[in-house]
Amino acid sequence: QVPLVQSGTEVKKPGSSVQVSCKTSGATFTSFAVSWLRQAPGQGLEWMGGIIPMFGKSTYAQKFQGRVTITTDESRTTSYMDLSSLRSEDTAVYFCARGPRPLTSGDLNFYYMDVWGRGTTVTVSS
Amino acid sequence: EVMLTQSPGTLSLSPGETATLSCRASQSVNSDFLAWYQHKPGQAPRVVIYGTSTRATGIPDRFSGSGSGTDFTLSISRLEPDDFAVYYCQLYGTSPPFGGGTKVEF
Repeated sequence: QVPLVQSGTEVKKPGSSVQVSCKTSGATFTSFAVSWLRQAPGQGLEWMGGIIPMFGKSTYAQKFQGRVTITTDESRTTSYMDLSSLRSEDTAVYFCARGPRPLTSGDLNFYYMDVWGRGTTVTVSS
Repeated sequence: EVMLTQSPGTLSLSPGETATLSCRASQSVNSDFLAWYQHKPGQAPRVVIYGTSTRATGIPDRFSGSGSGTDFTLSISRLEPDDFAVYYCQLYGTSPPFGGGTKVEF
């Protein structure tokens, strides 16, 4: 059983948007922090942003501010990552990952990530 | 914004040897706020160490983490074939940075 199941491969045109989903088959996301990361070809891991569903707070890396939106559904079993204004440099494997959530709403830290999805390949090409 | 620099970029070793990986922060950080991940091609990354020195579930005691301030280390003793991979360090935070990775190759 795979704890986090991501949506399938996407091919997009420059300027368009993509949505990648991440569904948990175990506990809901309520008790966790959910992060979205990516790995471009030949590059390392890059944290894009995350959400702490219990507190309803989303945080984004400065690099992606204004282009990325991370949400969960009402049941908190699926998280979504929307990335807009796609360009060729956004070609990458996108991962969702789950980790412990902060204990208080004033703590907006994302800690380690101990459960990962298998990744979704997004190719941006004209 | 704190940046993490990993060294070396590539570590060429043989099974049975010990790997010592370095992760340096651009400024002093909370010494309990560092994690290490193992990443193999085509697979999801796997956390091996969190809280600087705590082994994740299922990680053998051949893996150990240490460090404080700006300098952190992941050591892997008695390398096994399954250990050859890229390792990343990651700092906890509101926008958690990753190091650039160290490839442990045979």
